[in-house]
Amino acid sequence: AQTVTQSQPEMSVQEAETVTLSCTYDTSENNYYLFWYKQPPSRQMILVIRQEAYKQQNATENRFSVNFQKAAKSFSLKISDSQLGDTAMYFCAFMTPNTGANSKLTFGKGITLSVRP
Amino acid sequence: DSGVTQTPKHLITATGQRVTLRCSPRSGDLSVYWYQQSLDQGLQFLIQYYNGEERAKGNILERFSAQQFPDLHSELNLSSLELGDSALYFCASSPPPFRGYYGYTFGSGTRLTVV
Repeated sequence: AQTVTQSQPEMSVQEAETVTLSCTYDTSENNYYLFWYKQPPSRQMILVIRQEAYKQQNATENRFSVNFQKAAKSFSLKISDSQLGDTAMYFCAFMTPNTGANSKLTFGKGITLSVRP
Repeated sequence: DSGVTQTPKHLITATGQRVTLRCSPRSGDLSVYWYQQSLDQGLQFLIQYYNGEERAKGNILERFSAQQFPDLHSELNLSSLELGDSALYFCASSPPPFRGYYGYTFGSGTRLTVV
């Protein structure tokens, strides 16, 4: 079974600075996908970024980028130029693709990020 | 608006009662997933349906059941409710596999409070 571990329960960062959120996972699969989701105080789950395991290039979406280390099974999220609106809980998630259409997302426990003005 | 519609947004009910949560997936998506989010348990996968058929089951209690209808909307039925069932229940949807794997689109959730 796949597991996703987010060992830091909370982090805080000053506005405009950079912060990195850690995530590790465990799997015996070679083909999989990794995601970071954001859950602001509104509780809506929002997809932040996606990484395909067979791609060596790290994914980037504007101020959000990942550091994907496949051998180490590590998938960290870097937020640059932090903004107050980045205050949220962030979840790391893992998916093994399945053509039988039962690809389940497994989530870590999440990390609460607070951006200080 | 994510395109995934969940109703109701809030529900308050008494122990022992039964409730039904409803979800309409994003247009074109065939899979519907149900997750439970409580304070100390994170996001727990309950069940998945694909085009009307159950495809995967997680930590879903026997008191809970779900189904997906021909129009692809889904309902999660929770019965004999207990205080510990109080949580945020999310529905999510995803497109069929031939379109690729881009994660799920989540609804805004139903906040269930059992008193």
